[in-house]
Formats: sequence, C-alpha cells, structure tokens
Amino acid sequence: KAGVTQTPRYLIKTRGQQVTLSCSPISGHRSVSWYQQTPGQGLQFLFEYFSETQRNKGNFPGRFSGRQFSNSRSEMNVSTLELGDSALYLCASSLDSRGYEQYFGPGTRLTVT
Amino acid sequence: QKEVEQNSGPLSVPEGAIASLNCTYSDRVSQSFFWYRQYSGKSPELIMSIYSNGDKEDGRFTAQLNKASQYVSLLIRDSQPSDSATYLCAVNFQGGSEKLVFGKGTKLTVNP
Repeated sequence: KAGVTQTPRYLIKTRGQQVTLSCSPISGHRSVSWYQQTPGQGLQFLFEYFSETQRNKGNFPGRFSGRQFSNSRSEMNVSTLELGDSALYLCASSLDSRGYEQYFGPGTRLTVT
Repeated sequence: QKEVEQNSGPLSVPEGAIASLNCTYSDRVSQSFFWYRQYSGKSPELIMSIYSNGDKEDGRFTAQLNKASQYVSLLIRDSQPSDSATYLCAVNFQGGSEKLVFGKGTKLTVNP
C-alpha cells in the first residue's frame, strides 16, 4: 500500500507571496492532519480534516488555511508569507480522527527569503 | 494547558545497551499514546502505539504506559547505531479540541 505523499518536496518563496502544499493520504484513510516542524518549536499542530470538514485547528494565524477534497486529498495554503514560516510542513493521515495512528508523509521543506 | 514533556537529551548509550526514553503528559483524559522515530532530515516514523496500562513489546522495542502517573516510556533493547535518531512521544488528548500533541523529542545516540 502506498504511503502518504506530499508535493512539492522543496519550495523557496519570498516574503509576501503565498504557497499551496498538497498531501495525498494512504488509500482508505479519511483523516488528514497538518503540522509545522521547526528546530525551536518542534512539531506544532496546524489543523485536521476529516470527510472534507475541518475538525480541529491549532494556534496559528488565519494566514494558514486548508481544505480536503472528496477523495481525502488535502491542501494547505499560507498567504502573505513571513520569514518565520520557513519550516518543514508535514502531513499525516489516519483511518479516522479519534485516536488512531497517524502516518507521516515525507514533508515539504519551505524556505522563505 | 495540555503538554507532553520529554527529556531533550542527548542520550548516549553504547551499542548493545538498553536505551530508556521517558515522556510525561499533563492531562489525564488521554487514551492513545505513540512513539515516533525521526532520523535527521526525515519525517517521523511511527514505531509503537499503546492504548492501555502496562507493557507492549514489539521486537527490540517495549512501550510502557502508566496512566495514573501520567507517563509513557520506550525501552530499546540491544541498541544499534541505526537506532540513533530523535524519538518523539505523542499523546492523543480527548475532550474539547481532540488532537495529537507531540513532545519536543529526545535525541538518542548509540555509540559503536
């Protein structure tokens, strides 16, 4: 069974631009969660989607948004990029959202200059 | 404030020794606990999940959960250099905004 895939793997943007990241979960998984990982803050939860609905949201500004499609694929968008948004963005999929195991994709490394 | 705390390390053990990684969490209303391994430059990989008090063994790995004391640990027996990585503890908190909260990880180095 194929794992979680994320595109693109690397991205360089300048301040003020916006970016869209994509995630395809493991086949049959309906929940997708997004995380930001930085050396200082560790893994920070962004949001979770289940059956095209956002079920949960972390403590991030409104510049961070996401959505999920009917095939469970998910996208996250960051608008008006700031230098501090440079991070590894990870997507994780799970069968359901209630305490099930989450499996991570390889991540998208975003650099904002 | 729901928190997951880990000793940041680094933890250094000789090859063949037992590595012991610990994690405490701040909220009693938790049902699912996970250990992830993350190699440098890679994404986290799930290595153990535990849902009830006691021990759970999988090969060289043993997860231990004590809900009353709010801690979960991971033992790695016969440690190998390939076990050198950062180990992340994650707790699924129930109630309110349910979500998976990660500790900041413990860096383990296994010396040949």
